[in-house]
Amino acid sequence: EVVLTQSPGTLSLSPGERATLSCRASQSVRGSYLAWYQQKPGQAPRLLIYDTFSRATGIPDRFSGSGSGTGFTLTINRLEPEDFAVYFCQQYDTPPWTFGQGTKVEIK
Amino acid sequence: QVQLVQSGAEVKKPGSSVKVSCKASGGTFRSYAINWLRQAPGQGLEWMGDIVPMFGKPNYAQKFQGRVTITADESTNTAYMELSGLTSEDTAVYFCARERAVKAPVFHYWGQGTLVTVST
Repeated sequence: EVVLTQSPGTLSLSPGERATLSCRASQSVRGSYLAWYQQKPGQAPRLLIYDTFSRATGIPDRFSGSGSGTGFTLTINRLEPEDFAVYFCQQYDTPPWTFGQGTKVEIK
Repeated sequence: QVQLVQSGAEVKKPGSSVKVSCKASGGTFRSYAINWLRQAPGQGLEWMGDIVPMFGKPNYAQKFQGRVTITADESTNTAYMELSGLTSEDTAVYFCARERAVKAPVFHYWGQGTLVTVST
């Protein structure tokens, strides 16, 4: 199965700063079939980005995705207080669909 | 708007089985895959399998083959996930999630999660 490794494990930033989250795949993810989710404590994940670049409905444009092959990035410009959460990447090129272990974005 | 509502928390003994339901409203139930995922305490997400109700044939992650059964009832717009041979390692929050679009296994709609605790 495709193993996704996210880095860093924790990102300590202040509101207004930019967050850059990395997701590396153990093999090439074809078709840009990579998504990002946000999860807050006690809640289900929320889809942010799919197909590497596309924002899901209602997601603000400070969230953007990029990458290809085995390296992908989620960028959050100008962090808002509500953005402090855990973020997961997911590949859906090769079953079983797999997730990274998560990056926690915490308030510095 | 699509909503998924799951059944309530369960406490089970090791070796037993658990069956979690996921009732959908809004949207077209029969055409979109309902997926089951789980999240152990403090851990990441793990995909268990899916089913497209109109086809009725489930797909399972190899890790859960032989232990998980996913079904769907079109008459009640409800999907089910049954996991047998429970151990303490199956303690987790179990989610159902619907794909964003047909044949696009990106999970746009989620149930609220069902905590399954396996304990003596």
